[in-house]
Amino acid sequence: EAQVTQNPRYLITVTGKKLTVTCSQNMNHEYMSWYRQDPGLGLRQIYYSMNVEVTDKGDVPEGYKVSRKEKRNFPLILESPSPNQTSLYFCASSLSVGELNTGELFFGEGSRLTVL
Amino acid sequence: QKEVEQNSGPLSVPEGAIASLNCTYSDRGSQSFFWYRQYSGKSPELIMSIYSNGDKEDGRFTAQLNKASQYVSLLIRDSQPSDSATYLCAPLGGKLTFGTGTQLKVEL
Repeated sequence: EAQVTQNPRYLITVTGKKLTVTCSQNMNHEYMSWYRQDPGLGLRQIYYSMNVEVTDKGDVPEGYKVSRKEKRNFPLILESPSPNQTSLYFCASSLSVGELNTGELFFGEGSRLTVL
Repeated sequence: QKEVEQNSGPLSVPEGAIASLNCTYSDRGSQSFFWYRQYSGKSPELIMSIYSNGDKEDGRFTAQLNKASQYVSLLIRDSQPSDSATYLCAPLGGKLTFGTGTQLKVEL
């Protein structure tokens, strides 16, 4: 089954304790992206990756890191989480964003993170 | 100015009515747009895509793209309570960013 898998789905942690949210897709997609969603603010892009070893900042990259060592995986790293990073996080992938592709984003089920 | 602007709503319509959701964009180079639907606490899902000026119909949904005026809209005919959700507009492009979304409530 074609899917984007995020883990963990729910996490409660404390300020400063490094954590990683994993994201994996099995569709051989080139494009992957991380979003956070907060009430009233919609989906905001954190980082995106157009392909392996290529990552770029989105609109709200502060406090986050990513890596894209393999095509299927795009982990989101919070080196020193703070309470303002409490949010619902979504990973998404797309075959391509080029003109010859649909650009449809496939989303993971979301990871709800609480930082105390 | 944000790349994509949407009225956050909520937009309330009675069951059976037409719901009209709008999105304006700033990048004149945007050629194609997507509409995603997101139920509360769930991930967004694609419901419509439009790649050229004009209208595109799919069942009860019609997407409209007007490049001259830089807006894209989604019409939902015969609105049902199950259409109650947040609708997100997104242009095709390198960053694939979204508007803030419009919350639609279909009332019985």
